Amino acid sequence: DQQVKQNSPSLSVQEGRISILNCDYTNSMFDYFLWYKKYPAEGPTFLISISSIKDKNEDGRFTVFLNKSAKHLSLHIVPSQPGDSAVYFCAASFDYGGSQGNLIFGKGTKLSVKP
Amino acid sequence: DAGVIQSPRHEVTEMGQEVTLRCKPISGHNSLFWYRQTMMRGLELLIYFNNNVPIDDSGMPEDRFSAKMPNASFSTLKIQPSEPRDSAVYFCASRNSGSYNEQFFGPGTRLTVL
Repeated sequence: DQQVKQNSPSLSVQEGRISILNCDYTNSMFDYFLWYKKYPAEGPTFLISISSIKDKNEDGRFTVFLNKSAKHLSLHIVPSQPGDSAVYFCAASFDYGGSQGNLIFGKGTKLSVKP
Repeated sequence: DAGVIQSPRHEVTEMGQEVTLRCKPISGHNSLFWYRQTMMRGLELLIYFNNNVPIDDSGMPEDRFSAKMPNASFSTLKIQPSEPRDSAVYFCASRNSGSYNEQFFGPGTRLTVL
């Protein structure tokens, strides 16, 4: 029973266009959400995060939107670049800034940005 | 500044053998996590430690799996005996519990059990 779902296993986008990666969650107690990026043969690396008190967080080309009523978040990449091609994981946490820090991950979406 | 270090990077073993995976967290981080990644289940948490103490091991699949953290700079994940279905990539991650919930991942160990 997955608490964090990424329903699109893959996404293909043209260079320069917008990439939108989606994530749904089931537990309304989650209070912090993160996106990780993973290249082949490497560990996931932190990309951007958002706490449940916000509905948007922006960092350069990356913006994460949170819709708490819909239990949905999305990652927007604008403009997309070939170097953005990777697997993107959505993750959620119950204990923002607390001592536990356990993250629950989605299964990932593989983004391919074509030149 | 060294990140999370895992060894070995690749391990190929035969069914029934003991496998030990190693992790050195980032210095100063006091939480350590072991994950397993498979195609079917994605990234799943196996166990995590806070200040060297196991907090939640509910993700450990069976008694064949065990994890230890004897000190703040070293942890092991052991599988004994190993089975082909244990083949996966195992990641270690660490975190400073005084900061946000961002975890820093190591490069992973790709385990193949024949």
